[in-house]
Order: sequence, then C-alpha cells, then structure tokens
Amino acid sequence: EAQVTQNPRYLITVTGKKLTVTCSQNMNHEYMSWYRQDPGLGLRQIYYSMNVEATDKGDVPEGYKVSRKEKRNFPLILESPSPNQTSLYFCASSQIFSGANVLTFGAGSRLTVL
Amino acid sequence: QKEVEQNSGPLSVPEGAIASLNCTYSDRVSQSFFWYRQYSGKSPELIMSIYSNGDKEDGRFTAQLNKASQYVSLLIRDSQPSDSATYLCAVNTGFQKLVFGTGTRLLVSP
Repeated sequence: EAQVTQNPRYLITVTGKKLTVTCSQNMNHEYMSWYRQDPGLGLRQIYYSMNVEATDKGDVPEGYKVSRKEKRNFPLILESPSPNQTSLYFCASSQIFSGANVLTFGAGSRLTVL
Repeated sequence: QKEVEQNSGPLSVPEGAIASLNCTYSDRVSQSFFWYRQYSGKSPELIMSIYSNGDKEDGRFTAQLNKASQYVSLLIRDSQPSDSATYLCAVNTGFQKLVFGTGTRLLVSP
C-alpha cells in the first residue's frame, strides 16, 4: 500500500529534550515536506525537500532541522523543543510535476512539549 | 492580507442540500488549486484539483475557478452527514510551493 508513515503518532516531552519525528514514504516520491497545524492558523510549511541532500526552509523553520540522506526518509528534528512547538505535525510527499502538488499526507504526529 | 483565505465556518447545511465552500487567493500567478478534506483528528486527503478557469466535476463534487477574480469554490451536491469535515483550499504559488487556507468546517445535519 502506497503510504507515508510517521512515528511517533503521539509524544509528550519536556522543554529542551531533543526529539526526532521520523517520516518514510514508499512511493519513490522526490518531494517531501513537513507541516504543522495549529487551530486558527491552518497548515504551515516547516521545511521541504526536492530530493536527496536538497532541503529548504518553509514558512516556519525556526527551532527545527531536517535531513534527507535517503529518498524515502525525511526526519524532523527538534533540537531543543519549547512549549510553542506543541502542535500537530504532518509529513507529506509527492512526485515533482511543475505546478502540481498532489500531496499524500502521513497520519500525523501530535506533539506536546511541557 | 493572507495568501489564501477561507471562511472558518461552521457552514451548516441539511442532508441533501448543496454545500458551497469558497476560497480567495492573493497571488495572481498561481496556476493550480486544490481542495483537501480533513476529518477531525485525521490527515488531509485530496478530493479535487483544478488548473484552468471554469468548472470541473467529479461525482457529487464540483470545483470552480475564476482566475480574474482570484476565487476558487467547491460545491458538494446532495450533501451527506459523512461529508461533515474541514475543507482546506490549497494554492500553488510557485514551483512546489503550496499554501493552505485555514479551512472551512462543514456540518451536514441528518
């Protein structure tokens, strides 16, 4: 089954404790992206990647890091989480077509930072 | 001005009615437009895409695009309670740059 898999689905952590949210897709997609979703603010892009070793900042990259060493994986790293990073996070992927973004989303990871 | 604007709702319609969801965008060079449906606690799923002016129909769903007015809409005919969800408008503002609206919550009552 074609899918985007995120882990963990739920996480409660404390301020400053480094964490990684993994994302893996099995569709051989070039493009991968991380979003956070907050009430009243919608989906906002954190980082995206056009291919292996090609990553770039989205609209809200502060406090996050990513890497793309393999085509299928795109982990999101919070080096020193803070309470304002409490949110619902989605990883998404797509093939690269000019002007088209048919994204497949993962199931989401709900993060709480105390 | 937000890049993509939607009324947050909720939009309440009775079962069997037509639900009309609207979206405006600010970037005139946008070329592709999408509607995603998101059930509570779930991830967004694509239901419609539209790239040229006019209407595009898929089953009970019709997407309408008016680039001159920078306006995209989604019509849902014969609305069902299972259509109750948040509908996200997304606009491609550049190569692989997708901007989402905050979503309109639709409630379909039996």
